[in-house]
Formats: sequence, structure tokens, C-alpha cells
Amino acid sequence: SAVISQKPSRDICQRGTSLTIQCQVDSQVTMMFWYRQQPGQSLTLIATANQGSEATYESGFVIDKFPISRPNLTFSTLTVSNMSPEDSSIYLCSVWGQGNNEQFFGPGTRLTVL
Amino acid sequence: AQKITQTQPGMFVQEKEAVTLDCTYDTSDQSYGLFWYKQPSSGEMIFLIYQGSYDEQNATEGRYSLNFQKARKSANLVISASQLGDSAMYFCAMRGQAGTALIFGKGTTLSVSS
Repeated sequence: SAVISQKPSRDICQRGTSLTIQCQVDSQVTMMFWYRQQPGQSLTLIATANQGSEATYESGFVIDKFPISRPNLTFSTLTVSNMSPEDSSIYLCSVWGQGNNEQFFGPGTRLTVL
Repeated sequence: AQKITQTQPGMFVQEKEAVTLDCTYDTSDQSYGLFWYKQPSSGEMIFLIYQGSYDEQNATEGRYSLNFQKARKSANLVISASQLGDSAMYFCAMRGQAGTALIFGKGTTLSVSS
């Protein structure tokens, strides 16, 4: 199994500002995934973060808006830049367990943009 | 492209009854995995059950079973003997190639009444 922590757990931000979300895993993993869950919606993949290379972004998400860092095998950050109220969501990071039979999720960061 | 479809926005069931949550999928991959997650109002993502595309037996985990019909591309979740604590959002998800990210359906809200 994998235990994932995220900081902050929640935040309220003003439009036009940026917020960096941290994700820490208790074991070394090759790939970390960042998801967004807008209110009342499902989870949408933002990007896949590999250590030592640029993150791979899904359609509709760009690096300028959601820059990602992956400095080592247990840590990643996602920044939500130049925020607008439409960015109000839960942001979750996740990793695979051994065997790829379970994807573990962090507790999420609840972001509200005013 | 992969796709997960959950056609039931909401389901209502009484305690101790069984309930089936529907999920159909589409993929061109030969090897894939199907997952169900529960998300209570707290927002955490709780893994319930996994089915591999080559698994011959339907997966079971306690009160949860996955009715896997490969030819019909369906992976329905059956919850036996519903409990009040089962009230939550349920997501069906799929991964293709091992290690890649999960793709989620829109979810089904399950309400269990006494």
C-alpha cells in the first residue's frame, strides 16, 4: 500500500493568485498523477508526473496554468496559476501500488477561488 | 480512446437490500483493468474492487462483487446487504496499459435508507 499526504488540505484564494499543492508519498514511485474534481463532477486527469522528466499533460490542461515539479521519487507539487473561480475544485494526487491493482489517492486539496 | 459510462446518476435502496451499479466501458486494449471506488461526503477516494481483463472469475471483496461481462463490456458493481454507511458516490474506472492513469466514469450517487 501507499500512504499519501497533501498540503494544504484546503485553501481559499483570491482570483489572479497562485497556489502550490504538495504531495508526499511514503514510498518511492515512478509515476504520480494529478487529478481535478470540480464540484459535483468526476475526477479528470490533469497530468502524469515522472521523476526526471517533464510532466505529460492531458488535453485541456497546459503547463503554464498547472506547472508541476517532481524533484524526487516521493514528492511532487502542482501549482494552480492565475486562478479564477472556475479553478475551484478538489485536487488529488495518486500513485499505483505494486501490481497496478490499486491506485492510491491522497486526501485531496479543496480549493475555493473568490 | 478509452471511455467509461455510468448511466445511473442516482440510486436509492433500503438497508439490507442488494443493489447493482452499472458500468460499461470501451477500449481497444487487450489488457486492461476495471476498478470501483467509493467517495463519501468527506471526499476521500476508497478503493473497493479490481477486475483484470484476463481474470476468469468475477472479483469479490466482502459485500462487494464485480459482475464482469467481457463480451458486453460491462463491469457492474453489486453491493449485497446495503448499509447506511454505503451512502456515497461510486465511481467506475479503467486503466489500459499497466501503470497508466485511471479514467473515471461520471459516478453514481447511492442513497441507503433505513
